[in-house]
Amino acid sequence: GAGVSQSPSNKVTEKGKDVELRCDPISGHTALYWYRQRLGQGLEFLIYFQGNSAPDKSGLPSDRFSAERTGESVSTLTIQRTQQEDSAVYLCASSLQLTRETQYFGPGTRLLVL
Amino acid sequence: AQSVAQPEDQVNVAEGNPLTVKCTYSVSGNPYLFWYVQYPNRGLQFLLKYITGDNLVKGSYGFEAEFNKSQTSFHLKKPSALVSDSALYFCAVRDPMNYGQNFVFGPGTRLSVLP
Repeated sequence: GAGVSQSPSNKVTEKGKDVELRCDPISGHTALYWYRQRLGQGLEFLIYFQGNSAPDKSGLPSDRFSAERTGESVSTLTIQRTQQEDSAVYLCASSLQLTRETQYFGPGTRLLVL
Repeated sequence: AQSVAQPEDQVNVAEGNPLTVKCTYSVSGNPYLFWYVQYPNRGLQFLLKYITGDNLVKGSYGFEAEFNKSQTSFHLKKPSALVSDSALYFCAVRDPMNYGQNFVFGPGTRLSVLP
């Protein structure tokens, strides 16, 4: 597709369950980012992939959060043993490699932990 | 470390009036600066960016922003606001001297344009 896609668009889960969120970046974009946005708040950086370099995981809030990326394509963000405070919109963005390049965002996955 | 401030949580403006959404930044070198807009229940949309060159940058939907190095600011402006401009606006910065650094976003400013 032409833009960044994310799935599912909405996810309701029970506390303690694991969830997996998917991001398909724009083809050819080597950089991929995950952010969390709690209701009415700004973006919280989670993790950043750049080509084959080691990812920048400095924003992951706990060891329950992990992310993987296969080459320069799909990425999955996994949250284990979900807690109610994990409820948020999870946004994915991708960009070309150069630092001057714009990030393009997907529509987000709205996660609700009951 | 790079940082971005948006000093106003909320900006209210009457339709047809000019609007300004403020952004100040801190980076070690010359910054790359971006504005994004988020409409309700949607992802962020790119509006405009400053990389180099003319300090006045024009973007989507009639928006523009002025890079002011001495004041370390990148305020977003529009000469005549529309009700449809009501949304959440985010300023972001990237430090080109730190390749591999991710973007840093400001906390957002909610713009309400009143009819």
